[in-house]
Amino acid sequence: QKEVEQNSGPLSVPEGAIASLNCTYSDRGSQSFFWYRQYSGKSPELIMFIYSNGDKEDGRFTAQLNKASQYVSLLIRDSQPSDSATYLCAVNLAGFQKLVFGTGTRLLVSP
Amino acid sequence: DGGITQSPKYLFRKEGQNVTLSCEQNLNHDAMYWYRQDPGQGLRLIYYSQIVNDFQKGDIAEGYSVSREKKESFPLTVTSAQQNPTAFYLCASSTRDRALSGNTIYFGEGSWLTVV
Repeated sequence: QKEVEQNSGPLSVPEGAIASLNCTYSDRGSQSFFWYRQYSGKSPELIMFIYSNGDKEDGRFTAQLNKASQYVSLLIRDSQPSDSATYLCAVNLAGFQKLVFGTGTRLLVSP
Repeated sequence: DGGITQSPKYLFRKEGQNVTLSCEQNLNHDAMYWYRQDPGQGLRLIYYSQIVNDFQKGDIAEGYSVSREKKESFPLTVTSAQQNPTAFYLCASSTRDRALSGNTIYFGEGSWLTVV
């Protein structure tokens, strides 16, 4: 079982819709969770992080964490074509400083 | 401006040649990392360093070497022992004092290495 798993996609949504990106992780002791956006040929940029169970909102983005189910998600409201990118989920394994990344979900937002 | 600078952006390596990728940060971060990304793949950790003069192997360290003589600098050497080095290389850094609750990692712009 991979440490961090994401559906590779592509996930296609129309402009203005809500995009829902999901990530599961295997280490029950994981403590912090990150979402990065990566445009083709560019480096990842941090969107947001979450440490506690529940929801965390930042503008059009909401991260949701459920540690019991070992599940973290990212919701993008009012999706825009400029949101089209690959979204990487990353998990800080318990006791380690390194992040483990999923392979990413490609999101396509059509006008 | 604060940030992480990688150079060169594009590099071509001949068979049997060692090459070094530069990474400099002025964010005053203690920890630095090197990741490799292959097309359509996730990021894989090569090496990381939590403090000056100390570094640890990541998941795919074979064929690579690093040094951490200064807090600001963490160069990566891709040696001739690395059989398939063509990839996108990402340097990153993070603060160390939140280790137990997680470190937020920030990336440089990346370096593309191609074997010719």
